Amino acid sequence: QVQLQESGPGLVKPSETLSLTCTVSGGSISNYHWGWIRQTPGKGLQWIAYIFDSGPINYNPSLKSRVSISLDTSKNQLSLKLFSVTAADTAVYYCARRLTNAWFDPWGQGTLVTVSS
Amino acid sequence: DIQMTQSPSFVSASVGDRVTITCRASQGVGTYLAWYQQKPGKAPKLLIYSASSLQSGVPSRFSGSGSGTDFTFTISSLQPEDFATYYCQQANNFPLTFGGGTKVEI
Repeated sequence: QVQLQESGPGLVKPSETLSLTCTVSGGSISNYHWGWIRQTPGKGLQWIAYIFDSGPINYNPSLKSRVSISLDTSKNQLSLKLFSVTAADTAVYYCARRLTNAWFDPWGQGTLVTVSS
Repeated sequence: DIQMTQSPSFVSASVGDRVTITCRASQGVGTYLAWYQQKPGKAPKLLIYSASSLQSGVPSRFSGSGSGTDFTFTISSLQPEDFATYYCQQANNFPLTFGGGTKVEI
């Protein structure tokens, strides 16, 4: 079965770039959509973006100007970059496979990223 | 953005109870609605999609119904492993949005 695992720094300084990688095992990332969702105590679950293979990317408009996501099919990985972070970007970040009609399953275990100097 | 409002925010229940959670969308989403379960320290898990379809491997005590703006999620007989937080998510419009969650506790 498909499993996802996020990785990356747990601490990022304000104004810097948050970079995360999600490694997919148990299946190929090709022919599926893959996305990022984050969770904060204050704002709850917030969808960030998703990408299909090398196809179009759908972004949350509220984050679009600061987000970049991509797939590396050779490594079976997807990545997330969030630029110019602030404390408001402190969250648990999840990667997930997007199913038909934009449900998400499965999800990675999540990784906490704290933005602080 | 479509706002998803869940009620109640907390449910106090016992094993064997029937639990019902509602999710209201600020505008119609058809049946493009999913329900997730999240346990502390874990990722959300998809339980119901398309408002009423049970995800593979999910016990039949979980069910969903509704369309348009009003949706219901039901656990027919609460089990000890069902104590968790439940979220709805709409997939009819971008951006995809989630409800604020309903915590089911003893």
